[in-house]
Amino acid sequence: DTEVTQTPKHLVMGMTNKKSLKCEQHMGHRAMYWYKQKAKKPPELMFVYSYEKLSINESVPSRFSPECPNSSLLNLHLHALQPEDSALYLCASSQVRLAGGLGANVLTFGAGSRLTVL
Amino acid sequence: QKEVEQDPGPLSVPEGAIVSLNCTYSNSAFQYFMWYRQYSRKGPELLMYTYSSGNKEDGRFTAQVDKSSKYISLFIRDSQPSDSATYLCAIKPGNNRKLIWGLGTSLAVNP
Repeated sequence: DTEVTQTPKHLVMGMTNKKSLKCEQHMGHRAMYWYKQKAKKPPELMFVYSYEKLSINESVPSRFSPECPNSSLLNLHLHALQPEDSALYLCASSQVRLAGGLGANVLTFGAGSRLTVL
Repeated sequence: QKEVEQDPGPLSVPEGAIVSLNCTYSNSAFQYFMWYRQYSRKGPELLMYTYSSGNKEDGRFTAQVDKSSKYISLFIRDSQPSDSATYLCAIKPGNNRKLIWGLGTSLAVNP
């Protein structure tokens, strides 16, 4: 199984709503990532979990709250979002380290959750 | 100066053409170089990665790194309509630094 599965594929929410994005992988990867991607832009790193612990937070606003319940699951909790937060949210996973140090570079992405904030 | 520069295109070629996609980077210490392909409404998928100067070939795809010029390329031979996608270069500077992405080049291969 070489997939990263993200749900939901599409989400529309109001600025007062609370919702969650979910990500699951069964490749045995111990690093998991949330990226945000706007149209015609590259992915922008938000959070990194390594061995289920938050290792990188790229100064993301607190209205985005990540959670890693176990080594296969990654959630992104959303609350009081703004219209400018509308984007494609991508989950990715990787091995933490391979010989030669390449493991952390080889990301497997999910198809993304397309979020629209009204 | 941006750390990684990539012309966003769009690039339009006829089926069967050889496609050349390129990125330049600013820091000679950068170590690992990757190409990702992203179809519309999908996440990026890794096509090729390399960490040394020279060529790496995989089927119709060849990745080339010239560290002396700080220039990386992806060549697609016998391009197909199914190659129509956005191609993103990504560079890993070294340990403990995040990937640096190019803007992505939008490619259309016309039948």
